[in-house]
Amino acid sequence: EVQLVQSGAEVKKPGESLKISCQGSGYRFTSYWIGWVRQMPGKGLEWMAIIYPGDSGTRYSPSFQGQVTISADKSISTAYLQWSSLKASDTAMYYCARGGYCSGGTCYGEIDQWGQGTLVTVSS
Amino acid sequence: QLVLTQSPSASASLGASVKLTCTLSSGHSSYAIAWHQQQPEKGPRYLMKVNSDGTHIKGDGIPDRFSGSSSGAERYLTISSLQSEDEADYYCQAWGTGIRVFGTGTKVTVL
Repeated sequence: EVQLVQSGAEVKKPGESLKISCQGSGYRFTSYWIGWVRQMPGKGLEWMAIIYPGDSGTRYSPSFQGQVTISADKSISTAYLQWSSLKASDTAMYYCARGGYCSGGTCYGEIDQWGQGTLVTVSS
Repeated sequence: QLVLTQSPSASASLGASVKLTCTLSSGHSSYAIAWHQQQPEKGPRYLMKVNSDGTHIKGDGIPDRFSGSSSGAERYLTISSLQSEDEADYYCQAWGTGIRVFGTGTKVTVL
């Protein structure tokens, strides 16, 4: 069974750093893109960034470039999202998602598995 | 630029059908998309992938009353025999080289 299990809820102060995690299981972690999606309170889904653990290649949404860093440790099938200096506006639910693969020279980008979500609250 | 357009809301009676539309931006009419469901206070769930030829591939455990289809730049999600648990937000999602894009979502209300 494919699963993505995320780290628990976080409460932080503005200016603090944070790294949240997402561990994949039940599939070959290095063969699929894995990414992060933000959902602010009462709002829709926003794609933030993806990484291909096989070669650590990354892509960022222009809206989030420079604001967060995505990384992965393929030895433990885990992806990460980190902030160096949180803002109150980073308060949101963050979902990791398995976001595609390449086969036979063609790449597919549908998200077909979601993590359970990590709630990040930033407040002074 | 790859953009997905969805109506903000849709409604239908219990037991009826509803058809949701996701429209791909100009120049992207051949793209496949995925549909996701988000029930109140829950995380998103993958429903299916819909190809430009109208074929669709559903995720594990997705009921038969969910189906997908296509016409031109439009991708559809049809929910038949609406149940109360189908009341949710539905998002379409597409992809390009190195990018993923979501539509703004359609809120489905079961009357």
